[in-house]
Parts: sequence; structure tokens; C-alpha cells
Amino acid sequence: GQQVQQSPASLVLQEGENAELQCNFSSTATRLQWFYQHPGGRLVSLFYNPSGTKHTGRLTSTTVTNERRGSLHISSSQTTDSGTYFCAIGTSSGQKLVFGQGTILKVYL
Amino acid sequence: ETAVFQTPNYHVTQVGNEVSFNCKQTLGHDTMYWYKQDSKKLLKIMFSYNNKQLIVNETVPRRFSPQSSDKAHLNLRIKSVEPEDSAVYLCASSPGLGNYAEQFFGPGTRLTVL
Repeated sequence: GQQVQQSPASLVLQEGENAELQCNFSSTATRLQWFYQHPGGRLVSLFYNPSGTKHTGRLTSTTVTNERRGSLHISSSQTTDSGTYFCAIGTSSGQKLVFGQGTILKVYL
Repeated sequence: ETAVFQTPNYHVTQVGNEVSFNCKQTLGHDTMYWYKQDSKKLLKIMFSYNNKQLIVNETVPRRFSPQSSDKAHLNLRIKSVEPEDSAVYLCASSPGLGNYAEQFFGPGTRLTVL
């Protein structure tokens, strides 16, 4: 079945630095979704990005489907960006998401 | 407000008891899901329903049973809970399947089994 690997497992940044989170998946996928989870909070969808590049504010999602990889770029990080970021791949039928193990981001002043 | 709602937020119970969790979405979506997030934050699908029909049952123990009364509701019942059932249970919905499968999540129900 589909497997999803995220890297790095954790990342510590000083405020203002940029972050690059990676997502690699084992099988051809047609849907990649990035989520943010604040400690103790719900999963918030950041991007639904089957392919190509999307931007929202300081966030950029890039998906290269034929290379089985995606990335999430956070520019000028802020302390409020701290939390866990999940990459998830949708099966071709869209019946479920397979999640990576997450990247824990900590941004300090 | 249009969103995915879950009740209760927290539940503490003893081994062997029965629990039920509720999920409702007001997004007008056709598809709903239950995921389990364990203590290591790993997220795994349990069930998927499309138009009230079960379409995914991911080798979940038989003591777990989903219940869908209509497209907007998907509840989860656990008969005779066990310690390993302690986790956060997340409900999600999507407009549909295939290219309409962007998923939106509720706040979760945290279950603690003593």
C-alpha cells in the first residue's frame, strides 16, 4: 500500500528563518494535502495540491507527482508557526488519506 | 457556521465499557471519515462512508462500529474498550471522492481508557 515519508522529523528555527519540509510517497498519487496541527488542536488544511505550486501568504506548496514528492516552504518563520505539519496522500479513488509521520516545527524568538 | 463538529471533546472510561462519539458536518459533503491518532501522533484511517455507504473498513477490531444515519452524520461506537483504544479520534468530511476528496477535519475526541 501507499507509504508516506516526511523529513525532517523535527526542525528548530529562529524567527525569521525559512523552513523546507519534504514529503515522499511510494506510489503514484493524484492528491497531496498538507495539514497543520497546533499542540492539542485540530488538523487544519493548508493546501490541497495534486500537482504544481500553490502559494498562501508565507506558505508555498510544491508537488511533483511523477517524482513522488512534495514540499512545503515556510518563509520568514514566526513563533506562531510552531506545531506539527502533516503530509497526506489521497488514494486514487479518494477513499482515504495516508498520512506521513509529521514534522515537528519549533520556532523561537 | 459550516464545519465539522465532534462531541464529546474528551472522554475518560474504564476498560470494558461502551462509548459513542458523534460527528456532524454542515458543509454539505457526501463523504465522511474516521481516523485514529495515537500517542505518537500517527494518523490512520479507520472508516470511510460515501452517501451513507461504508466504502473503507481498514482492518479495525470488531468492537468498533461506525453508524451513519444520513450524509451529514457519522458516529463511532466502541463496545468494550481496551487500553490500546486510548487515542484521539478525528472525524473528517470531503465533498466527494476522486478529485473532490479534499478533507476537512473536526477538533477530535480524546479517549482515555483507564
